[in-house]
Amino acid sequence: DQQVKQNSPSLSVQEGRISILNCDYTNSMFDYFLWYKKYPAEGPTFLISISSIKDKNEDGRFTVFLNKSAKHLSLHIVPSQPGDSAVYFCAASAYGAGSYQLTFGKGTKLSVIP
Amino acid sequence: KAGVTQTPRYLIKTRGQQVTLSCSPISGHRSVSWYQQTPGQGLQFLFEYFSETQRNKGNFPGRFSGRQFSNSRSEMNVSTLELGDSALYLCASSLGGLAGSMQETQYFGPGTRLLVL
Repeated sequence: DQQVKQNSPSLSVQEGRISILNCDYTNSMFDYFLWYKKYPAEGPTFLISISSIKDKNEDGRFTVFLNKSAKHLSLHIVPSQPGDSAVYFCAASAYGAGSYQLTFGKGTKLSVIP
Repeated sequence: KAGVTQTPRYLIKTRGQQVTLSCSPISGHRSVSWYQQTPGQGLQFLFEYFSETQRNKGNFPGRFSGRQFSNSRSEMNVSTLELGDSALYLCASSLGGLAGSMQETQYFGPGTRLLVL
């Protein structure tokens, strides 16, 4: 059973427009959420995170929104740039049995068209 | 500061063989986690090591094992390889708090791509 779902395998956006990447989760115990970006032949790079006590976190062009009641989070990139073209992974963290564990979605491939 | 390094970058094995992958964390990082990435399942957590001890484990069969050395370098081993083990294996390091917590950002290496024929 997939606890973190990224239902859009791919997304194409025009340069300068907004990119919105979505993520849904099912486990109510998740209390920390992250987005990672991955370029081909490289490992994932941490992008931005949000605690469950917040509903929004901004870092430059990147904003993550969390809707706990809907168990939904989204990543907004404004304005989108060609260098943002990558695979984006949503991840969620829960504490249990003395440790945390990150659960990742399958990723959304973002293509920003110049 | 050098990033996380993984060797080898690419590997081809046949079913039934075993394989050992290596990971060198960022200098000063004491926690090392391993993940398997496949197109169908995304990134899945294998295990985490801290101070030469396995601190956390995902839902993988016992064929997957790992260890950590006193210099924090880590290896993972897969025995009796199956076709389904073909994947990108990623290693991530963090300072030493509980990996996955708010205080611990994980830094990933480029991965080892394993192909099992």
